[in-house]
Amino acid sequence: QQPVQSPQAVILREGEDAVINCSSSKALYSVHWYRQKHGEAPVFLMILLKGGEQKGHEKISASFNEKKQQSSLYLTASQLSYSGTYFCGTKNSGGSNYKLTFGKGTLLTVNP
Amino acid sequence: IAGITQAPTSQILAAGRRMTLRCTQDMRHNAMYWYRQDLGLGLRLIHYSNTAGTTGKGEVPDGYSVSRANTDDFPLTLASAVPSQTSVYFCASSAQPGETQYFGPGTRLLVL
Repeated sequence: QQPVQSPQAVILREGEDAVINCSSSKALYSVHWYRQKHGEAPVFLMILLKGGEQKGHEKISASFNEKKQQSSLYLTASQLSYSGTYFCGTKNSGGSNYKLTFGKGTLLTVNP
Repeated sequence: IAGITQAPTSQILAAGRRMTLRCTQDMRHNAMYWYRQDLGLGLRLIHYSNTAGTTGKGEVPDGYSVSRANTDDFPLTLASAVPSQTSVYFCASSAQPGETQYFGPGTRLLVL
């Protein structure tokens, strides 16, 4: 089951904050976040395991709400280099735990 | 250390032709994956391999085949290409199935 990402796209000015959500209709075991710049390969940002933990990477952090079956990616004081498409990949609990299913992505544009 | 390499970088192919996309990793990762990426659809899993000698079908396996004769190589073959297989193809690997995936640079394929 493909996770649903929202919003589909967001435009920010440098220094502004953004939140990207990733929701699943099934119980989640883990959520993986990736960023892909135009014409490049996706690059791993962070992984969150069930347990409601929050992680950080530079000024990018994420949370995992097991009850809501949702993860959120927080981009704080955005920089031009944050522009790109953000994907969440989910592994569901109870199923085959070797495959990630990716959302359709959220296009983030940071302008000066 | 190169990580993951893919070849060719891009290719224009006539419909009906056979084509093999190559993927090689030097990280001794057990698991490898093939995805296709199409605008608005995100990353969709074609085939995967949890370890050398085993393969499995992903979300969109029709028209594609894979083999995993050794740890390092995971070629993807299009037996008879069709225009709907026009896409960007990414190979990825992870140390173990379900763990963080590392992506190759991609192959851009145009089937006419």
